Amino acid sequence: AQSVTQLGSHVSVSEGALVLLRCNYSSSVPPYLFWYVQYPNQGLQLLLKYTTGATLVKGINGFEAEFKKSETSFHLTKPSAHMSDAAEYFCAVSDRGTGGFKTIFGAGTRLFVKA
Amino acid sequence: DVKVTQSSRYLVKRTGEKVFLECVQDMDHENMFWYRQDPGLGLRLIYFSYDVKMKEKGDIPEGYSVSREKKERFSLILESASTNQTSMYLCASSFLGQGATGANVLTFGAGSRLTVL
Repeated sequence: AQSVTQLGSHVSVSEGALVLLRCNYSSSVPPYLFWYVQYPNQGLQLLLKYTTGATLVKGINGFEAEFKKSETSFHLTKPSAHMSDAAEYFCAVSDRGTGGFKTIFGAGTRLFVKA
Repeated sequence: DVKVTQSSRYLVKRTGEKVFLECVQDMDHENMFWYRQDPGLGLRLIYFSYDVKMKEKGDIPEGYSVSREKKERFSLILESASTNQTSMYLCASSFLGQGATGANVLTFGAGSRLTVL
């Protein structure tokens, strides 16, 4: 069965500092992995995704994530935080179930950016 | 752009009422999903559907049912609403395709905030 664990429900960084949001997953088959972002009072939107191929994936707004199969991890990073990055971030895993692809989300990590 | 439209943005219902939440997508996506979003719990999958009349249970199906009679429409039904079903409900859709660009990427509706009194 799939599961997603996001370490840390809240992360606070200073503007300009490194952002690191952690995600570990379990899946019985090679998964698709995603990060979605939800800005205040907005819907969820895709930040980046891993399907196959290169394990370092670049997304929007300077974010990237690295798929590490041996560690079953898909951590999200950004070298320099900006105030506009304050949002809730969700890691998700998708793999084929009985009939179709099922996507499961982690509990989310809220990112605070201090001036 | 893919549009996922949820019929009601805010609903207030009473305990025991039957509640219908409607979701329509306009891009011929095979997959449709219903999640509920609660603070600290993230998004939890209630049901999903990968084809007309096909459905699979998610992680928290108890107290819910779904209907998919047409490809573009996926309805969530609360047979007898209870206060612990007060939540934000999110519908999403995606197209099926292993390896294809955009495959399995979810597009979400704006959400339906349900309050059960």
